[in-house]
Amino acid sequence: AQSVTQLDSHVSVSEGTPVLLRCNYSSSYSPSLFWYVQHPNKGLQLLLKYTSAATLVKGINGFEAEFKKSETSFHLTKPSAHMSDAAEYFCVVSDYGNKLVFGAGTILRVKS
Amino acid sequence: DGGITQSPKYLFRKEGQNVTLSCEQNLNHDAMYWYRQDPGQGLRLIYYSQIVNDFQKGDIAEGYSVSREKKESFPLTVTSAQKNPTAFYLCASSGSLDTGELFFGEGSRLTVL
Repeated sequence: AQSVTQLDSHVSVSEGTPVLLRCNYSSSYSPSLFWYVQHPNKGLQLLLKYTSAATLVKGINGFEAEFKKSETSFHLTKPSAHMSDAAEYFCVVSDYGNKLVFGAGTILRVKS
Repeated sequence: DGGITQSPKYLFRKEGQNVTLSCEQNLNHDAMYWYRQDPGQGLRLIYYSQIVNDFQKGDIAEGYSVSREKKESFPLTVTSAQKNPTAFYLCASSGSLDTGELFFGEGSRLTVL
């Protein structure tokens, strides 16, 4: 069965510094992987997705993620944090059978 | 604008009462989903539907019921059998079951008094 582990429940960065949100996955098949963002009391929005094409995936708002099969990781990065990036981020895996499994989430705080 | 509309945004319920959460989409999507979100637990799937008049249980279906009489609508009823119903409920849709790309509503927060 597939699973997702988000390694940090909270991450705090200063505005203008890099963001790294870590995600490890476990899957029996070639997975599809996603990052979603949720602002307070809102629904989730897709940031980016990996579906076995390029291993470096670019998403919206300057975010990108790299699929590393050898490390079973799909970490989310952004070179320079903005105040508007403060939100909760979810790593999601989907494999054969198309069931989506959500990580527990990482809350990103951006300090001015 | 195309999207998913959930209502109400906030709902309070007394113990023992059933409540129904509305979810409507105008994206012409076939698949619709209901998730429950609790702090620190991510999202857990309650029910999903691939086509009209058909739906399947997710991981935590006990105490919930759904219907799918129209393509656009997928209401969720939280019954009195649900032991811990206080949560944030999210409805989502997708154009296909095999993309994993979901479009979410803004959620309904249910509080049991």
